[in-house]
Amino acid sequence: AAGVIQSPRHLIKEKRETATLKCYPIPRHDTVYWYQQGPGQDPQFLISFYEKMQSDKGSIPDRFSAQQFSDYHSELNMSSLELGDSALYFCASSQGPLAVEEETQYFGPGTRLLVL
Amino acid sequence: AQSVAQPEDQVNVAEGNPLTVKCTYSVSGNPYLFWYVQYPNRGLQFLLKYITGDNLVKGSYGFEAEFNKSQTSFHLKKPSALVSDSALYFCAVRVGMTTDSWGKLQFGAGTQVVVTP
Repeated sequence: AAGVIQSPRHLIKEKRETATLKCYPIPRHDTVYWYQQGPGQDPQFLISFYEKMQSDKGSIPDRFSAQQFSDYHSELNMSSLELGDSALYFCASSQGPLAVEEETQYFGPGTRLLVL
Repeated sequence: AQSVAQPEDQVNVAEGNPLTVKCTYSVSGNPYLFWYVQYPNRGLQFLLKYITGDNLVKGSYGFEAEFNKSQTSFHLKKPSALVSDSALYFCAVRVGMTTDSWGKLQFGAGTQVVVTP
């Protein structure tokens, strides 16, 4: 079965550079979530989109922005990168809004970002 | 605040023995609970969820979880562990649901499971 695709899988950047992470949801999934997982930590919610509109926002820095496009893929743009941004960034997708019982988030393999 | 807690950083079990990974929750209203597993350098894989209905939920790879409302727990179980079950397991609760949003997942700290041959 098709899964969530994230690119790139690994990314190395210098401080103050910018980075763009891409997420391609499972076909027919219209909701996308972004999470950040620091070393040894649990994933933290950043932002989500439903039908190309932002639906929820978590602890996402102002230096980060994201959007969902007409084909439902999403991009997370990160500017003025800091050492602390080094983390694993997950994208998840779901098919919503169905009945709440139906909504399950399926995660991609993640993008590992290292800021030097 | 709605949250889940995983009291054990690591669980060690011998192959073939029962495996239990503990999770307790604190939510207002009906809890929507999930278990995910993370293998090294891999994404989070969905195992199972509890929304409503039977307290015993069966999921992928032979895992099941028991929802216990009186004890506010949602422990993950497997009758006979395999070495390949060694991974990081996360319990999660869906929070922040509104009429405009499905909310998001709030994860526990994770429990490292080590299954020895």
